[in-house]
Amino acid sequence: DGGITQSPKYLFRKEGQNVTLSCEQNLNHDAMYWYRQDPGQGLRLIYYSQIVNDFQKGDIAEGYSVSREKKESFPLTVTSAQKNPTAFYLCASSTFGGQYYEQYFGPGTRLTVT
Amino acid sequence: GQNIDQPTEMTATEGAIVQINCTYQTSGFNGLFWYQQHAGEAPTFLSYNVLDGLEEKGRFSSFLSRSKGYSYLLLKELQMKDSASYLCAPMDSNYQLIWGAGTKLIIKP
Repeated sequence: DGGITQSPKYLFRKEGQNVTLSCEQNLNHDAMYWYRQDPGQGLRLIYYSQIVNDFQKGDIAEGYSVSREKKESFPLTVTSAQKNPTAFYLCASSTFGGQYYEQYFGPGTRLTVT
Repeated sequence: GQNIDQPTEMTATEGAIVQINCTYQTSGFNGLFWYQQHAGEAPTFLSYNVLDGLEEKGRFSSFLSRSKGYSYLLLKELQMKDSASYLCAPMDSNYQLIWGAGTKLIIKP
């Protein structure tokens, strides 16, 4: 079955530690995205990538880093510089270059930093 | 700037009809998406409108008026499982989705 996987579902970290969230897709999509969702707010774009070895900052990239070494994978690192890292993180993917750009989402990772 | 406006919460009765409105302002426009999100889960795609008018898909329909910057999602024959948040997301000129905070729909028996 095609889809997007994120792991782990729940993640707990101490302040000052970097943490990497995994995102893998087997939909053969070119574009991948990382969003953050906080209670009562819309999804906010952290980073996106339209092609391997290239990625762009979204609206709230500070304190985060990504890599796109393979088409299938787009890991997100939450660094100690991110002031409020506790949130629900969603990875998505879509085709790119066509008319229709529906984004498919992974199940999400809920990160708690104390 | 870019802005999305949807009601924060709505309540409806099982079996009834509900309309969730969304007004938007974006830099350019390449269509508008509606997603459903159950609590603690990822959003799932419901509909996409790029031209004015109504798109019907089973119990769900979505309407778009580009000149008014307005869309609505119509849910018929409401079921308890429709209790969820509904996210309006227009796509801007850079093909990026701009997300509203969502409308939490509560269905009562």
